[in-house]
Amino acid sequence: EDQVTQSPEALRLQEGESSSLNCSYTVSGLRGLFWYRQDPGKGPEFLFTLYSAGEEKEKERLKATLTKKESFLHITAPKPEDSATYLCAVQAVAGNQFYFGTGTSLTVIP
Amino acid sequence: DAMVIQNPRYQVTQFGKPVTLSCSQTLNHNVMYWYQQKSSQAPKLLFHYYDKDFNNEADTPDNFQSRRPNTSFCFLDIRSPGLGDAAMYLCATSRIISGPFPNEQFFGPGTRLTVL
Repeated sequence: EDQVTQSPEALRLQEGESSSLNCSYTVSGLRGLFWYRQDPGKGPEFLFTLYSAGEEKEKERLKATLTKKESFLHITAPKPEDSATYLCAVQAVAGNQFYFGTGTSLTVIP
Repeated sequence: DAMVIQNPRYQVTQFGKPVTLSCSQTLNHNVMYWYQQKSSQAPKLLFHYYDKDFNNEADTPDNFQSRRPNTSFCFLDIRSPGLGDAAMYLCATSRIISGPFPNEQFFGPGTRLTVL
């Protein structure tokens, strides 16, 4: 069964304190892995697409990496405006569905 | 800017009173999705349209229906809302093409449904 697990559920960081969020997945043939940012009361905002092991993508203070079983979202020197829930989703080779994890709620304290 | 638009942003209905949520897109994507998201939970796929083909998830209650009259618009109908249907409803689109490469999915801002 296709499955996505994110950890930790919640993370509190001091401003400037770098850390990583984890997304582990089990899917019968990975077509793509996606990271989203979701602010309270809003729809998820697309951040990155990864689809081959070893791939890395960067955007400002965020860097996403992919292995055959998991992905990491590294946050370097976070700022309070990075506070949000970060969602991971996978798309299998077969089918049009996307499978989501429950997210990591990140709080960055000034 | 190309985008996914949902209306209304907030909807209040009474227990058992039918409600319709709408979604439109200017991305010309061939697939449109409806998700239900409750607090601190992952978005839960209700159904999706691949072009005109409707695909229902096995555990989506019969109370939820959908219509896609054309490429740009998709509607979510809740025939008899219960208290448990209070949630954020998210519409998303994707351009699915055959082949091994991933297809990004883009979301609208969501409709927050309250059931009294």
